[in-house]
Amino acid sequence: DSGVTQTPKHLITATGQRVTLRCSPRSGDLSVYWYQQSLDQGLQFLIQYYNGEERAKGNILERFSAQQFPDLHSELNLSSLELGDSALYFCASSAHPGQGNRALHFGNGTRLTVT
Amino acid sequence: DAKTTQPNSMESNEEEPVHLPCNHSTISGTDYIHWYRQLPSQGPEYVIHGLTSNVNNRMASLAIAEDRKSSTLILHRATLRDAAVYYCIRTGGSYIPTFGRGTSLIVHP
Repeated sequence: DSGVTQTPKHLITATGQRVTLRCSPRSGDLSVYWYQQSLDQGLQFLIQYYNGEERAKGNILERFSAQQFPDLHSELNLSSLELGDSALYFCASSAHPGQGNRALHFGNGTRLTVT
Repeated sequence: DAKTTQPNSMESNEEEPVHLPCNHSTISGTDYIHWYRQLPSQGPEYVIHGLTSNVNNRMASLAIAEDRKSSTLILHRATLRDAAVYYCIRTGGSYIPTFGRGTSLIVHP
């Protein structure tokens, strides 16, 4: 058990809809990362937060947004959903960003299916 | 751009050692080498990391070449539960772990 909790585990929705994915980081971790994993793209970094502030952005679409709250949990909002957004979405946490010797701890993901 | 190169797949027999190679020829002096693995239907799991010296933990050993341009993850006795995709990653300044395709390890009983 990594200590990172993601909800829901599965989500099925229709095109055009909006969903929110939630992540609770491991106790004591201040940084949260979001990744998308689809069959043809592998694990793609989306966005990182540290102590409530956005720290780095990757290949995140404008239809997607995220935030980290004062209690350090994070939410990833996906809107105007398209079939191609179907994927596994992983959240990871680490103690401090910018330190190469810190491991990332991943949750078990949210499987999003857009129909 | 994962900046590491790994074989797409490798096979092993149960109870035998497995050596998973990784090439990171453009590594900088401050980059760490991390290994993660992803079992089916699970999130990636941290395995081990190192900077210059070889490292051991309860899961595996990491052997780092003297010039740091390559490394090898060693599973001393493969089990069926070790069947997974193994990712080799270098982490440096921005420390945004970038995952490539990894090596899919198949373990035969």
